[in-house]
Amino acid sequence: AQKITQTQPGMFVQEKEAVTLDCTYDTSDQSYGLFWYKQPSSGEMIFLIYQGSYDEQNATEGRYSLNFQKARKSANLVISASQLGDSAMYFCAMRGGSNYKLTFGKGTLLTVNP
Amino acid sequence: GAGVSQSPSNKVTEKGKDVELRCDPISGHTALYWYRQSLGQGLEFLIYFQGNSAPDKSGLPSDRFSAERTGGSVSTLTIQRTQQEDSAVYLCASSFWSSGGPRETQYFGPGTRLLVL
Repeated sequence: AQKITQTQPGMFVQEKEAVTLDCTYDTSDQSYGLFWYKQPSSGEMIFLIYQGSYDEQNATEGRYSLNFQKARKSANLVISASQLGDSAMYFCAMRGGSNYKLTFGKGTLLTVNP
Repeated sequence: GAGVSQSPSNKVTEKGKDVELRCDPISGHTALYWYRQSLGQGLEFLIYFQGNSAPDKSGLPSDRFSAERTGGSVSTLTIQRTQQEDSAVYLCASSFWSSGGPRETQYFGPGTRLLVL
């Protein structure tokens, strides 16, 4: 079984500052993928970034980077230079081995203050 | 290109009525997924399709729920005899399917918000 834990129900950050959203996972699969999605109030799930379990480098996509610590089973999302439009719910998810479905965490509600 | 589309965006129905939710995946994506998002349960996987086949329906909450996919494209999720606990946002996603490994990113549609009165 796979499990994703996001321990921060809500986070606040000042505009232009960096913020880290925590995610820990549990799986017995050797090969797995970790994903972060953003869900604004409009409801659509927007893919942000992907990290493979065998990837040696931490993933980066623009202002998003993933701090992947395999031994600690953590995959934290770092957003640099926060913008007001970053205010949204953020979900960490994983897909393991040959499993086709995503397992999601409960999410973290990020609020960016001006 | 066009993303995943879903219709209707909102649906209000009375308890006991049947509803149909539609998903149109990204062109060329052979895999299609249905998820449900509710306050109490978070995001739950319901069913996935590879082509027109649904190898695993174990995520469907009850036999009132069914889904089909035709032509390897559009999918319909049907809920019969709706109950108030069916109220949720139903999200559809699609992805390429090559080796079935964990790299295929699922791209989501805007969802259908279902309210059962």
